[in-house]
Amino acid sequence: QKEVEQDPGPLSVPEGAIVSLNCTYSNSAFQYFMWYRQYSRKGPELLMYTYSSGNKEDGRFTAQVDKSSKYISLFIRDSQPSDSATYLCAMSGDGQNFVFGPGTRLSVLP
Amino acid sequence: NAGVTQTPKFRILKIGQSMTLQCTQDMNHNYMYWYRQDPGMGLKLIYYSVGAGITDKGEVPNGYNVSRSTTEDFPLRLELAAPSQTSVYFCASSSPMGEGNQPQHFGDGTRLSIL
Repeated sequence: QKEVEQDPGPLSVPEGAIVSLNCTYSNSAFQYFMWYRQYSRKGPELLMYTYSSGNKEDGRFTAQVDKSSKYISLFIRDSQPSDSATYLCAMSGDGQNFVFGPGTRLSVLP
Repeated sequence: NAGVTQTPKFRILKIGQSMTLQCTQDMNHNYMYWYRQDPGMGLKLIYYSVGAGITDKGEVPNGYNVSRSTTEDFPLRLELAAPSQTSVYFCASSSPMGEGNQPQHFGDGTRLSIL
């Protein structure tokens, strides 16, 4: 079993849809959870950062962490074509070493 | 504010050649990292450093070397290039995780092809 699993997609949705992206993990020591967005030929950029369990909202983006199920989610409301990118989840137990999921490729169609 | 800068952006090497990928950051971050990203495989950690003079191996260190003589710079060295090292290489930096500190900031990568 991989330490972090993520559906690679591709996921295609119409503009304005709510998008749900998910990762599962196996290491119960993880306590830092991140979502990165990566455009083609660019480096990952941080979208959301959550410590431990719970929800966090920032504009159209909501991150959820369920440590009991070892499951994290990123929701994008009112999706836009500019949201088309690859979304990477990342996790860490010590805040020093990070494990990344393989990424989900999202296309938002106008 | 430049953030994390990587050079070169693209490079083609022949098998057996050597080269250094440069990475510099202007955020005074203690931690710096080198990753490689292969299609469908996510980011794999090659080496990391928690401060000047301190480096440690990550998940896939074979065939690479690093040094950290200053806080700003963290070059990655390929000594004998092999086709398996064809990849996109990302450098990242961060401060220690905690309240108010953000996770890693990434450069835009170096695309390396070994032929």
